[in-house]
Amino acid sequence: SAVISQKPSRDICQRGTSLTIQCQVDSQVTMMFWYRQQPGQSLTLIATANQGSEATYESGFVIDKFPISRPNLTFSTLTVSNMSPEDSSIYLCSVDPTGNTGELFFGEGSRLTVL
Amino acid sequence: QKEVEQNSGPLSVPEGAIASLNCTYSDRGSQSFFWYRQYSGKSPELIMFIYSNGDKEDGRFTAQLNKASQYVSLLIRDSQPSDSATYLCAVTGSFKTIFGAGTRLFVKA
Repeated sequence: SAVISQKPSRDICQRGTSLTIQCQVDSQVTMMFWYRQQPGQSLTLIATANQGSEATYESGFVIDKFPISRPNLTFSTLTVSNMSPEDSSIYLCSVDPTGNTGELFFGEGSRLTVL
Repeated sequence: QKEVEQNSGPLSVPEGAIASLNCTYSDRGSQSFFWYRQYSGKSPELIMFIYSNGDKEDGRFTAQLNKASQYVSLLIRDSQPSDSATYLCAVTGSFKTIFGAGTRLFVKA
């Protein structure tokens, strides 16, 4: 298993601003995943973050809008840039501590509301 | 587009009954299959995984996989009110996990 801490847990943001979400894991992991869960919806993968390389973004998500950092094996950040109300969502960090088995553990999530 | 399909529900069962949750997936190359439980306002938590065709039992939970039919199911025996949650089916392949929309389960006391 893994213990994952995310912050902020929630925030209210103004349109046009940017917010960075931090994700800290209690063990070293190769890949970290960022998901978005819009109200009443399931989880959508935004990108996969590998240490030492550029993040891999899913269709519909671009680096300019969601820049990701992965400076080491226990930490990652996701920035939501130039926010609009459509970005209001829960953003979740997750890891697969066993290494590509798909058994994911999630942080508590960051609930963003954009006014 | 790789997809994971679930009936959104809600599925309502009386306490003590068997709840049956179903899922289909489109990518025949999928390798691993999971069920996550998500309580309202909380993050998903992994409750079952299955890699091979057949049944896998863990306590009151049984996962079933049929790769030929691209079908995964979760049975919850002796359902309890505390099982009321959204159950997410997830499928892994090519280093990423795709989630279904989830089925909401209500267990009535």
